[in-house]
Amino acid sequence: QKEVEQNSGPLSVPEGAIASLNCTYSDRGSQSFFWYRQYSGKSPELIMSIYSNGDKEDGRFTAQLNKASQYVSLLIRDSQPSDSATYLCAVFSGTASKLTFGTGTRLQVTL
Amino acid sequence: GAVVSQHPSRVICKSGTSVKIECRSLDFQATTMFWYRQFPKKSLMLMATSNEGSKATYEQGVEKDKFLINHASLTLSTLTVTSAHPEDSSFYICSARDTGFNSPLHFGNGTRLTVT
Repeated sequence: QKEVEQNSGPLSVPEGAIASLNCTYSDRGSQSFFWYRQYSGKSPELIMSIYSNGDKEDGRFTAQLNKASQYVSLLIRDSQPSDSATYLCAVFSGTASKLTFGTGTRLQVTL
Repeated sequence: GAVVSQHPSRVICKSGTSVKIECRSLDFQATTMFWYRQFPKKSLMLMATSNEGSKATYEQGVEKDKFLINHASLTLSTLTVTSAHPEDSSFYICSARDTGFNSPLHFGNGTRLTVT
């Protein structure tokens, strides 16, 4: 089992819709969770961080964390073509002391 | 926010030569920096963890004699690709964490290396 799993996609949503990106992780001791966005040919940029169960909202983005289910998600409301990118889920395991990335989900927002 | 600067952004070199990539934390001190490699349409692969004042920790399968890492100060880590070959052509990205538990990784802009 991979440490951090994401569906590779592509996930295609129409402009204005809600995009839902999901991630599961295997280490129950994980404590910090991050979502990064990576455009083709560019380095990842941090979008959201979440540390406790529940929802965290920042503009059009909402991160959701459920530690019991070992599940973290990212919702993008009012999706725009400029949101088209690969979204990387990253989990920091205190035991391993390193940040582990999922393989990323490619999002396509269509006009 | 925390800023990580990486230089050069793009480099082309001949096979057999060495290339040095610099990674700087501009507004924070980073005792630990991380070097990643990414092939086209593939995921990030952690190569090594660079520790200030001590030897780097390499991931399994990464040749430490080929990818030399130096972290001489709290704001600078360098990656040297020695005797580069075409198969070393890739996108190399450094990152660093600000101090404080739970702080995220911040990435440099990456270096696209092409070995001819």
